[in-house]
Amino acid sequence: EVQLVQSGAEVKKSGESLKISCQGSGYRFSTYWIGWVRQVPGKGLEWMGIIFPGDSDARYSPSFQGQVTISADKSINTAYLQWSSLKASDTAMYYCARQESTAARSRYFAFWGQGTLVTVS
Amino acid sequence: SNDLTQPPSVSVSPGQTASIACSGDPLGNEYASWYQQKPGQSPVLVIYQDNQRPSGIPERFSGSSSGNTATLTINGTQAVDEADYYCQAWDSWTYVFGTGTKVTVL
Repeated sequence: EVQLVQSGAEVKKSGESLKISCQGSGYRFSTYWIGWVRQVPGKGLEWMGIIFPGDSDARYSPSFQGQVTISADKSINTAYLQWSSLKASDTAMYYCARQESTAARSRYFAFWGQGTLVTVS
Repeated sequence: SNDLTQPPSVSVSPGQTASIACSGDPLGNEYASWYQQKPGQSPVLVIYQDNQRPSGIPERFSGSSSGNTATLTINGTQAVDEADYYCQAWDSWTYVFGTGTKVTVL
């Protein structure tokens, strides 16, 4: 069974750094892209970026480029999302999700983590 | 523009059909996917590649696409289908999510 388990909720202050994690199991972690999605309370889904754990190739949404860093450690089947200096506007739920591809023009997320709530005061 | 636009809300009576449209330039060349999200839960994929249903998703969920518009249809809507629904496309290494539609089953 494919599972993505994320780290627990975080409460931080503005200016602090943070790294949250997403551990995959039930499949070959290094061969599937893992994406990160933000959801501000009461708002919609926003794609932040994606990483291929096999070689740590990461791509970012222009909206989040330079604001966060996505990384992965394939030896422990874990992807990360990190901030060097949090802002109150980073308060949101963050989801990781596994990318699927069944056709040349089709990419989607079939498996999602449970989400990590980040609160920045 | 690579935005995907959805109606903010759709209301439907139990047993009736709900349709949600998603419009935007990315859909002219790329497949659409749809997610259901209930309060306090992670999104769940209900349709991929315009009209394919993942294992475990009820047959009452279907999808179609024409030109720059994709449509999610829920036939025989049930109370458990009340949720937010998001369309999504992938275009040049960028994921785009729709603005989201709240489906209310009255």
